[in-house]
Amino acid sequence: NAGVTQTPKFRVLKTGQSMTLLCAQDMNHEYMYWYRQDPGMGLRLIHYSVGEGTTAKGEVPDGYNVSRLKKQNFLLGLESAAPSQTSVYFCASSWFRRNTGELFFGEGSRLTVL
Amino acid sequence: RKEVEQDPGPFNVPEGATVAFNCTYSNSASQSFFWYRQDCRKEPKLLMSVYSSGNEDGRFTAQLNRASQYISLLIRDSKLSDSATYLCVVSGYSTLTFGKGTMLLVSP
Repeated sequence: NAGVTQTPKFRVLKTGQSMTLLCAQDMNHEYMYWYRQDPGMGLRLIHYSVGEGTTAKGEVPDGYNVSRLKKQNFLLGLESAAPSQTSVYFCASSWFRRNTGELFFGEGSRLTVL
Repeated sequence: RKEVEQDPGPFNVPEGATVAFNCTYSNSASQSFFWYRQDCRKEPKLLMSVYSSGNEDGRFTAQLNRASQYISLLIRDSKLSDSATYLCVVSGYSTLTFGKGTMLLVSP
């Protein structure tokens, strides 16, 4: 099993450009999450989904949109990238309803906005 | 008070030392607590859950003090491979809140 796969792993954008990060999981998890991690800030939740067709805002949702059209995929979109969105983005999935607390993370996507 | 607070460190210890990290949380209604480990430029991974009665996994011991709202992680006989950032994690209804992490550096 691949677990959680993120694409792309690296990307450089210019201010104002748009892009989509794709997260795919093959564990049949209900819950999926997008986090960003910045130096000194820790992991901050952007958006999450508790099931196919549902999404919810996290701690820092502004400037991002998400979609969960299929259970195994969770897309994170940047409509008009800004330098403040330079970060490492992690997708994660879980059986959170069982409250085991184990999130399975992808390897991260490093985004630079110039 | 921030939701989950940790001393960022770094904690510099020699191999074989015992080291302890603490983490405080603000939401008294939190039900579940965890320690994650994150290696440099890698994704976080679950290290262990934290139970009210305390729990041990090899060289690692986790404790929870609900009255004082803190969690601790004790690492005995530190190894070079223990060098990493340790994230304290507290559950909410649908999500987990991560602390900023405590960096541990174990030297020969």
